[in-house]
Amino acid sequence: QSALTQPPSASGSPGQSVTISCTGTSSDVGGYNYVSWYQQHPGKAPELMIYEVNKRPSGVPDRFSGSKSGNTASLTVSGLQAEDEADYYCSSYGGRNNWVFGGGTKLTVL
Amino acid sequence: QVQLVESGGGVVQPGGSLRLSCAASGFAFGGYGMLWVRQAPGKGLEWVAFIRYDGSDKYYADSVRGRFTISRDNFKSMVYLHMNSLRVEDRAVYYCAKDGDKYSVDVWGKGTTVTVSS
Repeated sequence: QSALTQPPSASGSPGQSVTISCTGTSSDVGGYNYVSWYQQHPGKAPELMIYEVNKRPSGVPDRFSGSKSGNTASLTVSGLQAEDEADYYCSSYGGRNNWVFGGGTKLTVL
Repeated sequence: QVQLVESGGGVVQPGGSLRLSCAASGFAFGGYGMLWVRQAPGKGLEWVAFIRYDGSDKYYADSVRGRFTISRDNFKSMVYLHMNSLRVEDRAVYYCAKDGDKYSVDVWGKGTTVTVSS
């Protein structure tokens, strides 16, 4: 049950695009299309942004998109806005009825 | 309005016990799996436990297996986390969460804080 690997920080200017990576193994990210992404603002609960690699729940702006290649999943935020500044966490099914989260990435809007 | 409200957090000494509760409303509780996820101060999210919609199966993270027990009461729309043999490293905000299917969490509670300290 090792945590998925995310960069600790990412940044971009308003209007730009930024991509956050999430690296696992063939036992989790690479083995299943069950990658989710969550946004968490300081002092708040997480919020689901992407599920099943690239699906958006209703209400999530289409500026948020997800993808996966091999053992690495990615979250792309296009047209960055000030309110996108938050922590982002990936998660994946880890096999054998385990869930695994990434260490989180702090996104700064410059 | 879909809502999860946790309670039961507090301060406990190492080796002590605590029971967290989560009251669900606004959805067909008995049709969904439920989870507990925790977040240590300044750290990332960590999955703790999962229980199937009917309570038939329960799964735990290695870090809590044998010490924590997840349970549910579908008549009361409640899910619980019984925590025994608490350690300093169990200190965290504990979130109750709803399984959104396909291993995603589509509803989160606001969390309850557990502090383990002598």
